[in-house]
Amino acid sequence: AQSVTQLGSHVSVSEGALVLLRCNYSSSVPPYLFWYVQYPNQGLQLLLKYTTGATLVKGINGFEAEFKKSETSFHLTKPSAHMSDAAEYFCAVSAGGATNKLIFGTGTLLAVQP
Amino acid sequence: DGGITQSPKYLFRKEGQNVTLSCEQNLNHDAMYWYRQDPGQGLRLIYYSQIVNDFQKGDIAEGYSVSREKKESFPLTVTSAQKNPTAFYLCASQFAGVGEQFFGPGTRLTVL
Repeated sequence: AQSVTQLGSHVSVSEGALVLLRCNYSSSVPPYLFWYVQYPNQGLQLLLKYTTGATLVKGINGFEAEFKKSETSFHLTKPSAHMSDAAEYFCAVSAGGATNKLIFGTGTLLAVQP
Repeated sequence: DGGITQSPKYLFRKEGQNVTLSCEQNLNHDAMYWYRQDPGQGLRLIYYSQIVNDFQKGDIAEGYSVSREKKESFPLTVTSAQKNPTAFYLCASQFAGVGEQFFGPGTRLTVL
């Protein structure tokens, strides 16, 4: 069965520092992978997705992620954190099979210190 | 504007009452989903529907019910059988086939 593990429920960085949020997945089929961002009391917004093709995926707000099959990872990075990046981030993998379901990780809360 | 709407934004319920959360989409998506979100637990799937007049239980369906009479609408009823209904509820929709889900703004339900 497909699953997602997000290492670190809380991550804190200084403004201008590198952001690295970790996501590892387990999938019995070629995975489709997603990163979402959630601001307080709001819905989830898609940051980026990997389906097929180029393994380095660029998303909105300067974020990118690299699909590494050998490491079963899909870590999210941003070179320079901004105060507005403070939010919760969710990694998700497609469930495969006959459904369109996504399996979500438990989330990583990113704090950005001035 | 295309999108997903959820209403109300905030909902208060007395114990023993059923309440219905609304979810409407005008994206012409086939599939719709309901999730429950609690602090530190991520998103847990309650029910999903891939086609009109058909729906399936997710991981935590007990105490909830849904209907899918129209493609655009997927209301969720939280029944009195749900023992701990206070949570943030998110609705999402998706085109047929594997792809991203689009989320509504959420409804925060509080049981008084």
